Amino acid sequence: SAVISQKPSRDICQRGTSLTIQCQVDSQVTMMFWYRQQPGQSLTLIATANQGSEATYESGFVIDKFPISRPNLTFSTLTVSNMSPEDSSIYLCSVVRGGGTDTQYFGPGTRLTVL
Amino acid sequence: QQPVQSPQAVILREGEDAVINCSSSKALYSVHWYRQKHGEAPVFLMILLKGGEQKGHEKISASFNEKKQQSSLYLTASQLSYSGTYFCGTVANSGYALNFGKGTSLLVTP
Repeated sequence: SAVISQKPSRDICQRGTSLTIQCQVDSQVTMMFWYRQQPGQSLTLIATANQGSEATYESGFVIDKFPISRPNLTFSTLTVSNMSPEDSSIYLCSVVRGGGTDTQYFGPGTRLTVL
Repeated sequence: QQPVQSPQAVILREGEDAVINCSSSKALYSVHWYRQKHGEAPVFLMILLKGGEQKGHEKISASFNEKKQQSSLYLTASQLSYSGTYFCGTVANSGYALNFGKGTSLLVTP
């Protein structure tokens, strides 16, 4: 498995501001992803965080709104920019360790409320 | 395209069995099953790769029918701790990004 931590665990923000969420893994992983889970909904993939290069975004998500960094094999950040109440969600990072296993593990999530 | 899960919700008495289905219109490389309790992160249950294999994990097992692009999760002799929302996540190619179904809410009562 993988030990994944996210900071902050929750936050309440004002509209128009930005929040950066951090994801830290206990050891090197092959893949890192960012998902969004709106209240009572399923998980939706935002982007794949690529180490050393620009993230790969899914349809409906853009870099200007959700800039992502992945400076090394154990750490990634997701920024939610110019927030509106519609951005209120749980944001989760997930990792695939690789090495012959495709299992994807999720971090504890960051619960964001935008007022 | 989002996989389709059924049923949307199920209520069981402790000790009863349940089956949750997940189907896709796309050819799948793998199917992943997770359980999520309220306010917590999804917890990995099992992964099935194309090839139609079946896996087991204590009283929870799953199958993957490659011809039908359908997976089923079997919960036998359910326990109170099985309550939660079950999600299937599918991968349509040899990548890793998961496409999740809408989830199945399972409640086990005493």
